[in-house]
Amino acid sequence: GDSVTQMEGPVTLSEEAFLTINCTYTATGYPSLFWYVQYPGEGLQLLLKATKADDKGSNKGFEATYRKETTSFHLEKGSVQVSDSAVYFCALRLSGGSNYKLTFGKGTLLTVNP
Amino acid sequence: DAGVTQSPTHLIKTRGQQVTLRCSPKSGHDTVSWYQQALGQGPQFIFQYYEEEERQRGNFPDRFSGHQYPNYSSELNVNALLLGDSALYLCASSWGRTGSSYEQYFGPGTRLTVT
Repeated sequence: GDSVTQMEGPVTLSEEAFLTINCTYTATGYPSLFWYVQYPGEGLQLLLKATKADDKGSNKGFEATYRKETTSFHLEKGSVQVSDSAVYFCALRLSGGSNYKLTFGKGTLLTVNP
Repeated sequence: DAGVTQSPTHLIKTRGQQVTLRCSPKSGHDTVSWYQQALGQGPQFIFQYYEEEERQRGNFPDRFSGHQYPNYSSELNVNALLLGDSALYLCASSWGRTGSSYEQYFGPGTRLTVT
């Protein structure tokens, strides 16, 4: 079945460090890919998305590129801030008329220290 | 512009009881999805409602049922609660037409504890 695999956390970085969170997927179709962020005590917020191969999603300094050849959608940020501390989820949604659900990875906890 | 709202925020129930969780979608959205997020895990899709009907369901038993009202708000009902049903229940809303811009907006969730 369809699945998303994220790097194990937690990830602890110092402020202004470079961030990479790996995400790979398995899908029977051609998915759209998403990164969601969950701050403590809150629901999920869409961070960025990409809907076709080689698309780059970007938002708030975060970027991820849809790599069909490696079935990956790694999240990167050049300089993290303390306020970026949260849990990050990679997700996919298959294209097609009857596919509406999001399939999530287990999440990666990021802690940024001042 | 109000986002997705859910009630209650927290709930404690006993095994065997029944529970109803509620969700109001973001303004302009007509579709509601429900997810279960166990501690330390990613959300798992329960089902989605559109035009007052369930149009896709995940791998959850029939104890989990739902409803959507004409104003697009939705309820999630869980019967015969088990300890394993303890989780954060997330509601997400979206616009019903699929396409490359399809996005789901999540509420803050309802934390259910079954004792």
